[in-house]
Amino acid sequence: KAGVTQTPRYLIKTRGQQVTLSCSPISGHRSVSWYQQTPGQGLQFLFEYFSETQRNKGNFPGRFSGRQFSNSRSEMNVSTLELGDSALYLCASSFLAGGSQETQYFGPGTRLLVL
Amino acid sequence: GDSVTQMEGPVTLSEEAFLTINCTYTATGYPSLFWYVQYPGEGLQLLLKATKADDKGSNKGFEATYRKETTSFHLEKGSVQVSDSAVYFCALRNTGANSKLTFGKGITLSVRP
Repeated sequence: KAGVTQTPRYLIKTRGQQVTLSCSPISGHRSVSWYQQTPGQGLQFLFEYFSETQRNKGNFPGRFSGRQFSNSRSEMNVSTLELGDSALYLCASSFLAGGSQETQYFGPGTRLLVL
Repeated sequence: GDSVTQMEGPVTLSEEAFLTINCTYTATGYPSLFWYVQYPGEGLQLLLKATKADDKGSNKGFEATYRKETTSFHLEKGSVQVSDSAVYFCALRNTGANSKLTFGKGITLSVRP
């Protein structure tokens, strides 16, 4: 079974631009979560989607948004990029949402550099 | 809110040494506990998990036991290899609306030949 895939793997943008990242979950998984990883803040939760609905949202500004499609694929968008948005963005999928025992499986991440 | 505390790093060991990485947590309810590993340039891989008190998770020679009385989930391995060099993250996942993964800061392990 194929794992979680993320595209693109690397991205360079300039301040003020916007960016869209894509995530395809493991086949059959309906929950997709997004995390931001930086050296200073570590791994921080952005949001979780299940059946095209946002279930949970982390403490990030409104410039960060996401959506999920009917095939469970998900996209996240960051508008008006700032230098501090440079990070590794990780997507994780699980079969269900809301269950503590559900394991989240991670993709390889998209590394975003904002200049 | 929920939180995970890992011991400070980095940790450098010689091959075949014994490894312990400490992890303690604060959470309401009955979370599940996880160890993830991240190799350079890659995403996170699940190493092991435990879903209730006294459960022991194990994989690839690594073990961790869910200790509710001490709110701990320490990672151990009897004999580390050079290939174990990576960053290790302890995490918890709670139930319901707060079901996100909460991670510790991670610790870098380097194993010398």
